[in-house]
Amino acid sequence: GAVVSQHPSRVICKSGTSVKIECRSLDFQATTMFWYRQFPKQSLMLMATSNEGSKATYEQGVEKDKFLINHASLTLSTLTVTSAHPEDSSFYICSAQTSGNYEQYFGPGTRLTVT
Amino acid sequence: QQQVKQSPQSLIVQKGGISIINCAYENTAFDYFPWYQQFPGKGPALLIAIRPDVSEKKEGRFTISFNKSAKQFSLHIMDSQPGDSATYFCAASKGYGGATNKLIFGTGTLLAVQP
Repeated sequence: GAVVSQHPSRVICKSGTSVKIECRSLDFQATTMFWYRQFPKQSLMLMATSNEGSKATYEQGVEKDKFLINHASLTLSTLTVTSAHPEDSSFYICSAQTSGNYEQYFGPGTRLTVT
Repeated sequence: QQQVKQSPQSLIVQKGGISIINCAYENTAFDYFPWYQQFPGKGPALLIAIRPDVSEKKEGRFTISFNKSAKQFSLHIMDSQPGDSATYFCAASKGYGGATNKLIFGTGTLLAVQP
C-alpha cells in the first residue's frame, strides 16, 4: 500500500519551454501533496504544499509563477515548470499524505534536464 | 529553530557492524521524527518513525533512539549489509495536515557498508 507514482521519470526539454510533471497516489486518497527539489548530493528542499481543491502554499524564495502546482483531485497533483532554464535542471520529487496522518509517502522522482 | 542537524556526513561500516546516525533539533513543537532511505536516482523511502512519547522504536534491524530532553534522535542499523549502502535522511515535523506539516530534513548521511 501507500504507493506514489511520478511521470515522467526523466525529461529533457529546451530552454524556454514548459514541462509538466504528474504525481499520483495509486492506492490512497492524498489530501495533501508536497513538491520537493533535490540537487546532487544535497538534501530535499520543499518547494510547495498543496491541498486538494486549494491553491498551493509556496515556500519562501520559490517563484509561484514559474512553478505552477495544481492539485485537482485526491489522487493527482501536477507541477508545471514554465519557461524552463538550465538552472531549473534538478530532481523533482513529490510526496503524498492522507488526512490525519503524519506519514508522507514519496514518489520515485523526476529528473529534469533543461538544455 | 527550524533546522535539523545531522551527522556524520558520511559513514563507512564493515559488513555486520552497527551504523549510527545522529540528528538534533531545536523546535520543541516537533512531534514526528521519521528516517528515510534514499538510493541514487530514487525517491526517499520511509524506514522508521517515532513520536516523542516513546524513547525507542525497533523495526527489524533498524532502531530509533529518542532523547526528548536533549532534543536528539538517532538511527541504529544493526548487522549492516552492503544493500544498506544509501543516503539516510532524518526529518522532523509538527502536527499533521496541510502546510503546517512540513518535513524539515537533515542534510543526509551517505552510508557505505563494505563487504
